[in-house]
Amino acid sequence: DQQVKQNSPSLSVQEGRISILNCDYTNSMFDYFLWYKKYPAEGPTFLISISSIKDKNEDGRFTVFLNKSAKHLSLHIVPSQPGDSAVYFCAASVISNFGNEKLTFGTGTRLTIIP
Amino acid sequence: DTGVSQDPRHKITKRGQNVTFRCDPISEHNRLYWYRQTLGQGPEFLTYFQNEAQLEKSRLLSDRFSAERPKGSFSTLEIQRTEQGDSAMYLCASSPRHRGGDIQYFGAGTRLSVL
Repeated sequence: DQQVKQNSPSLSVQEGRISILNCDYTNSMFDYFLWYKKYPAEGPTFLISISSIKDKNEDGRFTVFLNKSAKHLSLHIVPSQPGDSAVYFCAASVISNFGNEKLTFGTGTRLTIIP
Repeated sequence: DTGVSQDPRHKITKRGQNVTFRCDPISEHNRLYWYRQTLGQGPEFLTYFQNEAQLEKSRLLSDRFSAERPKGSFSTLEIQRTEQGDSAMYLCASSPRHRGGDIQYFGAGTRLSVL
């Protein structure tokens, strides 16, 4: 079963506009969420994260919103730049002070920024 | 620090052969994870080390797979008697131990092709 879902395989956005990537999860035990960006032939690169005690986290052009009741999070990129073109993965984990915080990933959304 | 390093980047092998991959984590990161990514999917958790102890293995990790992390530094992932279904990108990630959420830093991965 897919515990983390990214229902949009691809998204195209004009340069300078806002990009919104969505992610839904089913496991209510998840309490930490991350977004990773992946270029071809590279490993995933950490972008931004949010704990379940917050509903928003912002870092420069990137903002992540978390709606716990809807089990939904989104990543906003403003303004979008050509270098943002990549595959974006949503990931979730259960915080543990003692051990494994394995990440459960979605299937990814390919973002294309149109110049 | 140059980040997580994986070797080799690409491996082509014939079905039935054994292969071994190496991961060098970011120094002083005591948590190390292996993931596998197939086409069109997000990375899937395989196994986790806290220092030299292997604390969890996914059911995806059949008995043909073995992982080690001697001395709590680099890690190796060995696949015996490879099958075509083992063809995938094998990703390694490391993280420091801290409270409040585990940001995992990924290597570029080893792409395995089994002919």
